[in-house]
Amino acid sequence: DTEVTQTPKHLVMGMTNKKSLKCEQHMGHRAMYWYKQKAKKPPELMFVYSYEKLSINESVPSRFSPECPNSSLLNLHLHALQPEDSALYLCASSPLPGGALGYTFGSGTRLTVV
Amino acid sequence: AQSVTQPDIHITVSEGASLELRCNYSYGATPYLFWYVQSPGQGLQLLLKYFSGDTLVQGIKGFEAEFKRSQSSFNLRKPSVHWSDAAEYFCAEYNFNKFYFGSGTKLNVKP
Repeated sequence: DTEVTQTPKHLVMGMTNKKSLKCEQHMGHRAMYWYKQKAKKPPELMFVYSYEKLSINESVPSRFSPECPNSSLLNLHLHALQPEDSALYLCASSPLPGGALGYTFGSGTRLTVV
Repeated sequence: AQSVTQPDIHITVSEGASLELRCNYSYGATPYLFWYVQSPGQGLQLLLKYFSGDTLVQGIKGFEAEFKRSQSSFNLRKPSVHWSDAAEYFCAEYNFNKFYFGSGTKLNVKP
């Protein structure tokens, strides 16, 4: 298995909703990442988990809450989002923390906040 | 500040023509460099990477890239473009535990 699987593929949520994005990999990678990508822009790093511990939070608003229940799973909990949070949310993993060997990206969750 | 520059926002080539996408990095005597491709609404797929050694790197889908230290460049090339190559291409450098992505080049392929 050489994939990063993200669910759901599409999500529409209201500003008062609570939802979660899920990311899973079974490659034995020990680092996982959340990126946010707006249209026609490169991905922007949000969070980094190394060995299931949060190691980098790029000053992301608290309405985004990451969670790493185990080495294969990464969640992003969403609450009270704003319309400007609408974007493609990408999960990635790398064999070791740091990503020098490159990332494997999932296909993303397209989030629309209404 | 560290940056990766992709000077071309859009490029259009005819199917079967050759392709070169430009990328310049700003930091590192021995940079870790990558090219990713993204189809619309999809994640990023790694095309190739350079760490050290041979400066001409072969990747998937017939792509190659050449590292030129003197020009701080890592340009992506393909000898004959296929319609399925139409996508967004991102150059990236890894340094200081982070990836620095360029702003991307959108490739259109004419029939």
